[in-house]
Amino acid sequence: DTGVSQDPRHKITKRGQNVTFRCDPISEHNRLYWYRQTLGQGPEFLTYFQNEAQLEKSRLLSDRFSAERPKGSFSTLEIQRTEQGDSAMYLCASSWGLAGGTGELFFGEGSRLTVL
Amino acid sequence: DQQVKQNSPSLSVQEGRISILNCDYTNSMFDYFLWYKKYPAEGPTFLISISSIKDKNEDGRFTVFLNKSAKHLSLHIVPSQPGDSAVYFCAASDSNAGGTSYGKLTFGQGTILTVHP
Repeated sequence: DTGVSQDPRHKITKRGQNVTFRCDPISEHNRLYWYRQTLGQGPEFLTYFQNEAQLEKSRLLSDRFSAERPKGSFSTLEIQRTEQGDSAMYLCASSWGLAGGTGELFFGEGSRLTVL
Repeated sequence: DQQVKQNSPSLSVQEGRISILNCDYTNSMFDYFLWYKKYPAEGPTFLISISSIKDKNEDGRFTVFLNKSAKHLSLHIVPSQPGDSAVYFCAASDSNAGGTSYGKLTFGQGTILTVHP
């Protein structure tokens, strides 16, 4: 399967613990995005990378959140000192960031976080 | 502030009939629009898009209409099939130099479409 893969698919943690999610994008894609989706809402943009450079971060992304894409391939999203409000589905997407095409993002299946 | 709104949480239609899903936006800077479909336990998948320079785009059974003056777009599915049952998200973006989305999408809340056999 050559789609976007995310790991783990489900994570249950206690409040105050740190969690890390990994995303492997489609190999030829140079752009990688993180979105968050809560129940009954659409995905919300968190941050995106072009190659290894983090080009934009949403104000939704508090200081407890950090994302990296060290070699321009896979990415990690870490949440420190988790809070119950962090419970959500964390979606990763990738795209080929050049002009043309449909501009579509290819999403992974998501990592569901439950903070107890 | 919900910049992209899908005011109908759900829609139910009979197989073979037309499904019309609606979306409104408030940000005048948006000039590229996309529709995504999401099945349970899967990520959203791209359906169709439209640039603000057009008012209609078709792809098989799916047609998206854009009314810039009303800041409104709609997705028509004809004929509807039971396999179309899913959550549909409208999304909007600024466009890049090539006239497509650069990837920072603002999504609506979604509409659950159910197509009955």
